Amino acid sequence: QKEVEQDPGPLSVPEGAIVSLNCTYSNSAFQYFMWYRQYSRKGPELLMYTYSSGNKEDGRFTAQVDKSSKYISLFIRDSQPSDSATYLCAMTSLKTSYDKVIFGPGTSLSVIP
Amino acid sequence: EAGVAQSPRYKIIEKRQSVAFWCNPISGHATLYWYQQILGQGPKLLIQFQNNGVVDDSQLPKDRFSAERLKGVDSTLKIQPAKLEDSAVYLCASSPAGRGVSGELFFGEGSRLTVL
Repeated sequence: QKEVEQDPGPLSVPEGAIVSLNCTYSNSAFQYFMWYRQYSRKGPELLMYTYSSGNKEDGRFTAQVDKSSKYISLFIRDSQPSDSATYLCAMTSLKTSYDKVIFGPGTSLSVIP
Repeated sequence: EAGVAQSPRYKIIEKRQSVAFWCNPISGHATLYWYQQILGQGPKLLIQFQNNGVVDDSQLPKDRFSAERLKGVDSTLKIQPAKLEDSAVYLCASSPAGRGVSGELFFGEGSRLTVL
């Protein structure tokens, strides 16, 4: 079993749709969770981060963490063509500030105008 | 603020040849990372430096890959000899000492390697 799993897609939605992206993980030591967005031929950029369980909202984006189920989600409301990218979940244990960040394989999203 | 700079952006070589990638992190960032991203996969950490010391190189194939960070600033990743399975994007990232409050890694645009 891989440490972090993510549906690779591709996911194609119409503009304005609500998008749900998900990751599961196996390491119960993970407690710091991030979502990165990667445009084609670019490096990943941090979108949101959350610590432990709960929700966090930032504009059209909401991140959820359920540590009991080892499941994290990113919701995008009112999706826009500019949201078309690959979304990578990432996580780390934070036992030390140098702990390895583990990335999921990414979900490719296309928002059709 | 200038971002993470990487070069070359693209490189095509034949198997068994050698290649080197260069990275200049964000000014003042003590931690530098090299990731390998194979098509359709997430980035995989190859090596992590804190200043000019290695923090983690457990997934670096040391028989063919080497990396250095002289003077705690720029870094070079070398592959010699290259194999077909080394075809990937090599991403350099940097962060303040540790990863700061947000845990953010700042990535460059990557160096895309094709091995024929």
